[in-house]
Amino acid sequence: EVQLAESGGGLVQPGGSLRLSCAASGFTVSTNYMTWVRQAPGKGLEWVSIIFSDNNRYYADSVKGRFIISRDSSKNSLYLQMNSLRVEDTAVYYCARVSAGDSAMSYWGQGILVTVSS
Amino acid sequence: SYELTQPPSVSVSPGQTAYITCSGDKLGDKSASWYQQKPGQSPVLVIYQTNMRPSGIPERFSGSYSGNTATLTISGTQAMDEADYYCQAWDSSTAGYVFGTGTKVTVL
Repeated sequence: EVQLAESGGGLVQPGGSLRLSCAASGFTVSTNYMTWVRQAPGKGLEWVSIIFSDNNRYYADSVKGRFIISRDSSKNSLYLQMNSLRVEDTAVYYCARVSAGDSAMSYWGQGILVTVSS
Repeated sequence: SYELTQPPSVSVSPGQTAYITCSGDKLGDKSASWYQQKPGQSPVLVIYQTNMRPSGIPERFSGSYSGNTATLTISGTQAMDEADYYCQAWDSSTAGYVFGTGTKVTVL
């Protein structure tokens, strides 16, 4: 059974850093496309970043240069390093597995809340 | 930047059909997906490749496409279908995903 579990969220001051983790089971992270999506309180879904199986990575303009997506094969986990955090980065962050053939996000984690506030 | 536009809300009576549209430039050239999100829960994929249904998703959910608009159709809508729905597509020109603005479906 495919499962994704995010961790590492919490309260951080503007300008601070945080690293989110997404532990996967039931499949291998390194051979799949993995992505992060966020949802600000009361708002819609916003795509954040994706890492392909060939290690190519892409970012939304809103986080480019501040966030870094990565993975660890030994831990079968996905990460999102978030630097220079802003109040507008406050959101629930979801990790998801992407189906390579159709670009759909077929499995999602339960989400983790990140709050950026002074 | 690429945008996908959805109506903010759709109301439907139980047993009737709900139509949720998603419009975007040259959307027909892309592969559209649809997600259902209930309050406090993670999104769930209900349609991929514009008209394909994942295993476990009821047959009353279907997808179609015409022109620059993708449509999610819920036939015989049930109270449990009340949720927010989002379309999504991959924009190769910017190498990024785009989500629609979201539609709240209310079953009256």
